[in-house]
Amino acid sequence: EPEVTQTPSHQVTQMGQEVILRCVPISNHLYFYWYRQILGQKVEFLVSFYNNEISEKSEIFDDQFSVERPDGSNFTLKIRSTKLEDSAMYFCASRPGTSTYNEQFFGPGTRLTVL
Amino acid sequence: AQSVAQPEDQVNVAEGNPLTVKCTYSVSGNPYLFWYVQYPNRGLQFLLKYITGDNLVKGSYGFEAEFNKSQTSFHLKKPSALVSDSALYFCAVSPLGTSGTYKYIFGTGTRLKVLA
Repeated sequence: EPEVTQTPSHQVTQMGQEVILRCVPISNHLYFYWYRQILGQKVEFLVSFYNNEISEKSEIFDDQFSVERPDGSNFTLKIRSTKLEDSAMYFCASRPGTSTYNEQFFGPGTRLTVL
Repeated sequence: AQSVAQPEDQVNVAEGNPLTVKCTYSVSGNPYLFWYVQYPNRGLQFLLKYITGDNLVKGSYGFEAEFNKSQTSFHLKKPSALVSDSALYFCAVSPLGTSGTYKYIFGTGTRLKVLA
């Protein structure tokens, strides 16, 4: 069964450093998402991506964040200058897009720790 | 503001007993409703969804959920709990809007503990 994969599983970085979180969505999916879950809190929407552009972003997704689909298979989330409060589990998700009510398929997550 | 509430942080149930995990939402229109389960060190796994039609929907692993429009609730249920059902359960709502992104708004999660 196809699945969404994410690398790395755990990333430790120093405050102010740039990080790139990588995701490989399911191959025929058209909609891509990033969510984050701060420890002990709920999963929050960050951004959605469709047709090679951002379709919606949350208030959390400020100028420090960017997304890219560089090669038609990978989907990346970049944080330019990490802050302590960026420490969280980041989930990538994808959705087929063939129907408006397809569910999203989630990857296992990347745990980001900012020191 | 749009929101999803899961009023119980934890639900304990004995194996073999029925379980209910509650979810209510405050979202305009007729959103799509979903339940996901998260096991330790794993991603979110889809359990079931309500789009339209019959208020009782059936999903994976014997789970079902009951949609109640007047109470804006979507409670997850299972007739007979298994120890292996112990996990973190998330209710998610996908508002229908002009952006067409179908993003999820999640509840805070409910930890289900099934006792042998």
